[in-house]
Amino acid sequence: EAQVTQNPRYLITVTGKKLTVTCSQNMNHEYMSWYRQDPGLGLRQIYYSMNVEVTDKGDVPEGYKVSRKEKRNFPLILESPSPNQTSLYFCASSPTYRASNQPQHFGDGTRLSIL
Amino acid sequence: QKEVEQDPGPLSVPEGAIVSLNCTYSNSAFQYFMWYRQYSRKGPELLMYTYSSGNKEDGRFTAQVDKSSKYISLFIRDSQPSDSATYLCAMSYDRGSTLGRLYFGRGTQLTVWP
Repeated sequence: EAQVTQNPRYLITVTGKKLTVTCSQNMNHEYMSWYRQDPGLGLRQIYYSMNVEVTDKGDVPEGYKVSRKEKRNFPLILESPSPNQTSLYFCASSPTYRASNQPQHFGDGTRLSIL
Repeated sequence: QKEVEQDPGPLSVPEGAIVSLNCTYSNSAFQYFMWYRQYSRKGPELLMYTYSSGNKEDGRFTAQVDKSSKYISLFIRDSQPSDSATYLCAMSYDRGSTLGRLYFGRGTQLTVWP
């Protein structure tokens, strides 16, 4: 089954404790992206990757890091999490770098609470 | 000013009604226009996309783009309770350094009651 898998689905942690949210897709997609969704603000793009070893900033990259060492995985790293990073996070992928005109397949989300 | 504006609602309609969802945008360089549907506790799923101006129809759903007014719409005919979800518009460029960027509206929460 084609899917985008995020882990963990839920996490409560404390300020300053480094964490990684993993994202994996099994569709051999080139393009992957991270979003955060907050009430009243909608979906905002954090980082995206057009292919292996190619990453770019989205709207709200501050406080986040990403890496794309292999095609299927695109982890989101919070080096020193802060309460304003409490949010619902989505990973998405699409077949090629031309994400503009292709459906993005979304994971089911990771709800992060940072105390 | 946010690049994409969307009224968050909520919007509540009876079953069978025609629903109109809208977004406006500020950047005339957007070329791709998409509508996503998001059920509670799930990720968004693509409903429809259009390139540049015009209409596109898929079953009960019609997407319209008016580039001169910087306005896009999604119409749902014969709405069903299963259409109850949040609908997000999204837009992107087709070239340039921002090729991979996607800009979303805030989403409109729709409830269709039996």
